[in-house]
Amino acid sequence: EAGVTQSPTHLIKTRGQQATLRCSPISGHTSVYWYQQALGLGLQFLLWYDEGEERNRGNFPPRFSGRQFPNYSSELNVNALELEDSALYLCASSHRGLSYEQYFGPGTRLTVT
Amino acid sequence: GIQVEQSPPDLILQEGANSTLRCNFSDSVNNLQWFHQNPWGQLINLFYIPSGTKQNGRLSATTVATERYSLLYISSSQTTDSGVYFCAVSPRGDYKLSFGAGTTVTVRA
Repeated sequence: EAGVTQSPTHLIKTRGQQATLRCSPISGHTSVYWYQQALGLGLQFLLWYDEGEERNRGNFPPRFSGRQFPNYSSELNVNALELEDSALYLCASSHRGLSYEQYFGPGTRLTVT
Repeated sequence: GIQVEQSPPDLILQEGANSTLRCNFSDSVNNLQWFHQNPWGQLINLFYIPSGTKQNGRLSATTVATERYSLLYISSSQTTDSGVYFCAVSPRGDYKLSFGAGTTVTVRA
């Protein structure tokens, strides 16, 4: 069974640009979660999508947004990039109806210069 | 929101030693997971254990939900056990994970 996949592995952007990160969940999983791991700030919850709807968001500004597609894959968009957005972005998936357990992808490392 | 505290923050072991990592949480949970973060950043699932005891090889975990803590045991540690171990929980009625700050384990040969 294929795990959670994320692309790209690395992304380098300039301050003010937009970044798009992608995630494909485990087959059969309907929920996708996004987390940010920035240096010194630990792992923080960003967004949760389930069945195509945004169900919850963490304490992040509106320039962090995303969506979930009919095939349950998801996209995270970060607009007007700031230097402090440099971080590892991790995506996780779960089957909301069966289990709370989340499985994580390998992450996208975003560097803003 | 729910608070998650992990201890100790750092742990240095000799190969072959046993160790215990602790996770305290401040509210009732419907999910508690232990992860090992590999050198490339990926979180590897170790245990899904909102209550009870589980074992997987040299690793085992126990969660006492009524007392709001969980323990991860590493026995006969190996250098490959080095890395950061995270505890993460979801409070009742929620699905998002709140993470502890992690325990950095270094196993020396």
